[in-house]
Amino acid sequence: AQKVTQAQTEISVVEKEDVTLDCVYETRDTTYYLFWYKQPPSGELVFLIRRNSFDEQNEISGRYSWNFQKSTSSFNFTITASQVVDSAVYFCALSVDSGGYNKLIFGAGTRLAVHP
Amino acid sequence: DADVTQTPRNRITKTGKRIMLECSQTKGHDRMYWYRQDPGLGLRLIYYSFDVKDINKGEISDGYSVSRQAQAKFSLSLESAIPNQTALYFCATSDLRMGANTDTQYFGPGTRLTVL
Repeated sequence: AQKVTQAQTEISVVEKEDVTLDCVYETRDTTYYLFWYKQPPSGELVFLIRRNSFDEQNEISGRYSWNFQKSTSSFNFTITASQVVDSAVYFCALSVDSGGYNKLIFGAGTRLAVHP
Repeated sequence: DADVTQTPRNRITKTGKRIMLECSQTKGHDRMYWYRQDPGLGLRLIYYSFDVKDINKGEISDGYSVSRQAQAKFSLSLESAIPNQTALYFCATSDLRMGANTDTQYFGPGTRLTVL
């Protein structure tokens, strides 16, 4: 079965704190992709990052960083020095081949509240 | 202008009414998708289309139908709306690029539908 688990339903931090959002996935496929999307209060879904299963290098983009560990089937997302504008729901997603197209399986999301 | 647009952005309707949600894209992507988002459940796929002549059911297609009028337009219809179809609906597009075996999905701003 393919599944994405985001165990943290809600996280609340104070501005400038670092925060890590956890994502654990399940798949038997050897080739797959992992994604993070951000959904701010305005409601749209914003693509943040895509990672393939063969590339375990961590990635950093400004205050955002991602840690991909196949050994623990995790793809965690860290925001350094959080800001109020980071307040949003964050979704982790897994993409696997499903009969000719790449099915995107979403976790339930983690709501992050950053307080001034 | 946004690459993926959805109309209307908000809609309140009554049980039994026929509703159409529209999606247009200027990204030139071949693939288009309709998802619904319910609190605590992430996003679930309703229908997807690889091109104008290729339309496929997703995991929760019952009660919905779609039409791919052109490469850039993909509409979702609720023939007889019911209250448990109250949700946030997202359209997404993707393009399988040469040399890659997955396609990142880019989402529209969403349509909030309420069925009374």
